[in-house]
Amino acid sequence: EVQLVQSGAEVKKPGESLKISCKGSGYSFTSYWIGWVRQMPGKGLEWMGIIYPGDSDTRYSPSFQGQVTISADKSISTAYLQWSSLKASDTAMYYCVRPYSPYYGSGYYFDYWGQGTLVTVSS
Amino acid sequence: DIQMTQSPSSLSASVGDRVTITCQASQDISNYLNWYQQKPGKAPKLLIYDASNLETGVPSRFSGSGSGTDFTFTISSLQPEDIATYYCQQYDNLPSFTFGPGTKVDIK
Repeated sequence: EVQLVQSGAEVKKPGESLKISCKGSGYSFTSYWIGWVRQMPGKGLEWMGIIYPGDSDTRYSPSFQGQVTISADKSISTAYLQWSSLKASDTAMYYCVRPYSPYYGSGYYFDYWGQGTLVTVSS
Repeated sequence: DIQMTQSPSSLSASVGDRVTITCQASQDISNYLNWYQQKPGKAPKLLIYDASNLETGVPSRFSGSGSGTDFTFTISSLQPEDIATYYCQQYDNLPSFTFGPGTKVDIK
């Protein structure tokens, strides 16, 4: 059974750093992209970026380029999302997702989602 | 960047009603359009992929259609458990996965 299990909720102060995680299981972690989606309180879904753990190819949404860093440790099947200096506006639920394309030439969709990690940034 | 619009932003319907949501892309995305359901406090769930393909295990009352720039999502007979927010999402070359703003569905 494919599972994406995320790390627990975090409460941080502005200016602090943070790294949250997403552990994949039940599939070949290095053979699929894995990504992150933000949902600010009461708002919609925003795609942030993706990484291919097999070769660490990383791609960001223009809205999040330079704001966060996505990484992965294939030895422990875990992807990460990190901030070097948090802002109050980073307060949100963050979901990890698995982008999947069933065959060559088809589109991608997010077939599996983590349970979400709530990040609260407040002084 | 491709922009996605959805309408309506919210709707109320009775149990058993047919519910239709539309999604429009700012440029041709072929059939690279997915639909997700998000219930309160839960992670989103994939319902429809590639505009009209029902994800395994999803009830057949859910359906999707369209191509190019205009897409439709339909619940043929609304059930109480369908109360949720529904999002369309386009895919246009890695990495572009823009979501629509969402449609909140309530029971009247």
